[in-house]
Amino acid sequence: DVKVTQSSRYLVKRTGEKVFLECVQDMDHENMFWYRQDPGLGLRLIYFSYDVKMKEKGDIPEGYSVSREKKERFSLILESASTNQTSMYLCASRDPQDFDNTQYFGPGTRLTVL
Amino acid sequence: GENVEQHPSTLSVQEGDSAVIKCTYSDSASNYFPWYKQELGKRPQLIIDIRSNVGEKKDQRIAVTLNKTAKHFSLHITETQPEDSAVYFCAASINDMRFGAGTRLTVKP
Repeated sequence: DVKVTQSSRYLVKRTGEKVFLECVQDMDHENMFWYRQDPGLGLRLIYFSYDVKMKEKGDIPEGYSVSREKKERFSLILESASTNQTSMYLCASRDPQDFDNTQYFGPGTRLTVL
Repeated sequence: GENVEQHPSTLSVQEGDSAVIKCTYSDSASNYFPWYKQELGKRPQLIIDIRSNVGEKKDQRIAVTLNKTAKHFSLHITETQPEDSAVYFCAASINDMRFGAGTRLTVKP
């Protein structure tokens, strides 16, 4: 059973703070993804990584960066948090060798930037 | 890049009725179309998916249809139950996945 965990369920930060959101998966998946979820906008892809040390911009990368030093861990970084980054952040992982292209999601981190 | 549109944004049905959610996609190269259900406060969970070489797939009360020519696919839920109430997301994928904006389904007992 795939397990994707995120470091915090709820997080409150102040404008200008550096924020780290951590995601860990235990199924040796090569692909990992970060989304933000906002009402009426669905899930929007921020960054993704096809393998260790690799990263690709998604649709809304501005204001974010990522780090993938180990296969199981994919970190989302907000260098200087702003109020418009208040959102639910979802991490997902996928095994590209699976015939089914299924992504498995973490529980989400609800980030509030004051 | 891929763009996925989903309709309606909200849907309310009576228990026992059918519910249909529709999505369109823009990239004809997309070959995988999953549907996720997200209950309040929980993570999205895959409920059914379809590949581009299949026109229809059914799993008990849920079914998905795909029209590649028109680039649209639909989720059908029959005999709806209150526990079907959730937000449903469609997605289209080649390698990375793009999601629709979601449909909030409410099933009234």
